[in-house]
Amino acid sequence: DAGITQSPRHKVTETGTPVTLRCHQTENHRYMYWYRQDPGHGLRLIHYSYGVKDTDKGEVSDGYSVSRSKTEDFLLTLESATSSQTSVYFCAIRDGQGETQYFGPGTRLLVL
Amino acid sequence: GQNIDQPTEMTATEGAIVQINCTYQTSGFNGLFWYQQHAGEAPTFLSYNVLDGLEEKGRFSSFLSRSKGYSYLLLKELQMKDSASYLCAVKNNAGNMLTFGGGTRLMVKP
Repeated sequence: DAGITQSPRHKVTETGTPVTLRCHQTENHRYMYWYRQDPGHGLRLIHYSYGVKDTDKGEVSDGYSVSRSKTEDFLLTLESATSSQTSVYFCAIRDGQGETQYFGPGTRLLVL
Repeated sequence: GQNIDQPTEMTATEGAIVQINCTYQTSGFNGLFWYQQHAGEAPTFLSYNVLDGLEEKGRFSSFLSRSKGYSYLLLKELQMKDSASYLCAVKNNAGNMLTFGGGTRLMVKP
């Protein structure tokens, strides 16, 4: 257990509304990641963070923004949700040895 | 860019051995991971290879050939609980990002 929680675990929202997903870790890891997982595409990196206020884009960052104001929390925001953003979102941290990423339980988001 | 290929689905029998292949073509390489993911759950770490050769961990082994851009995950003495998706992921040169293949869904039958 890498001490990662995600909230909410499930969310249904409407097109055009803003949505924020939260990832919380308890072990002071420097690196945190947001992925989405869709059938036929596997896991794709949205954004990642390498420290407080330090973030960078991943493969599928369009339509998403992130913030990390403190070590333990990494927020993913959909400014105006679209149906194409219906997905399962996983947060991950990279452990102290710098090698392995460990995943949170995921958030299922449905955009109607 | 990164291109990582795995078979979409495989079926095997309880007690048997199965090999799941992963081939990659990447602009950089700094290690390869295998994860297991049961339906509706998060991926969990299985193995990490950075040098050529075989890494054994109980019933699971992982092999890497960097010159061939090839890895496999070997599962022995299959159990029903091994029914899951297996994800191959390549770490980039900087070591800060993983790129995942589409995953292989393994079904273990009695």
